[in-house]
Amino acid sequence: GQQVMQIPQYQHVQEGEDFTTYCNSSTTLSNIQWYKQRPGGHPVFLIQLVKSGEVKKQKRLTFQFGEAKKNSSLHITATQTTDVGTYFCAALYYGGSQGNLIFGKGTKLSVKP
Amino acid sequence: DARVTQTPRHKVTEMGQEVTMRCQPILGHNTVFWYRQTMMQGLELLAYFRNRAPLDDSGMPKDRFSAEMPDATLATLKIQPSEPRDSAVYFCASGKPGTANQPQHFGDGTRLSIL
Repeated sequence: GQQVMQIPQYQHVQEGEDFTTYCNSSTTLSNIQWYKQRPGGHPVFLIQLVKSGEVKKQKRLTFQFGEAKKNSSLHITATQTTDVGTYFCAALYYGGSQGNLIFGKGTKLSVKP
Repeated sequence: DARVTQTPRHKVTEMGQEVTMRCQPILGHNTVFWYRQTMMQGLELLAYFRNRAPLDDSGMPKDRFSAEMPDATLATLKIQPSEPRDSAVYFCASGKPGTANQPQHFGDGTRLSIL
C-alpha cells in the first residue's frame, strides 16, 4: 500500500536550536497535512499544504511542499520547550477519499532547556 | 471549543473480555475515523464513516473488531474477544463535510490495556 516515510524518527535538540522533519512519498500527493501530538495527548492539526512549492509559516514554524508534491518538511526555528512532542505528516493521495490520509510514523522532538 | 469526546479514557481488562469504546464527534461533522496508535506501528486507520455509513474498515481485524454508528452523535468500536496485542491507544477523529482535505479533529483517546 501507499506509504509516507518520515525522518528522523527522533530528534534531541538544545533549546534555541533549529529542528526539521521531512516527509517523503514515492507517489505524487494531492495534499499533505501536519499534526502535533504532545506527550500523553492527541494529534492536533497544524496546517495543510496543497499547491506545488507552497510555503506556509506559523510563527517559528515553516512548512514546505515540494515542487513535485512528493515531499514536505516542517522546520522550527529556535526551538522552545513548548515544542516538545511528536510531529506527524499525513498525506492524501490523488483518488483517495477523506479516509485515505496516510500518516507518517512521526518525528519525536525533545528539547533540552 | 467543540471537541470530540471519547469514553472511557482508560480501560484495563483481562483477555477474552469484550471492550466497547465510544466516540461523540463534533456536532456538524459527518466523517468519523477510528485509529489505533502503538509505538511499533504508529497511527493506523481502522475504520471510517461518512454520514454514518461505513466506507472503509480494511484496517480492522474483522474477526474480533466491529465499528458502528448507531446515530450521528455516537460511534462505537468493539473488540470481542480482546487479546493482549490489542493494547494500544484508540483515537476517534471527526471531520467537517466537504472535500477530502478537511482536517481531522481527534479526541483524547482511550488507553486500552489487555492483561
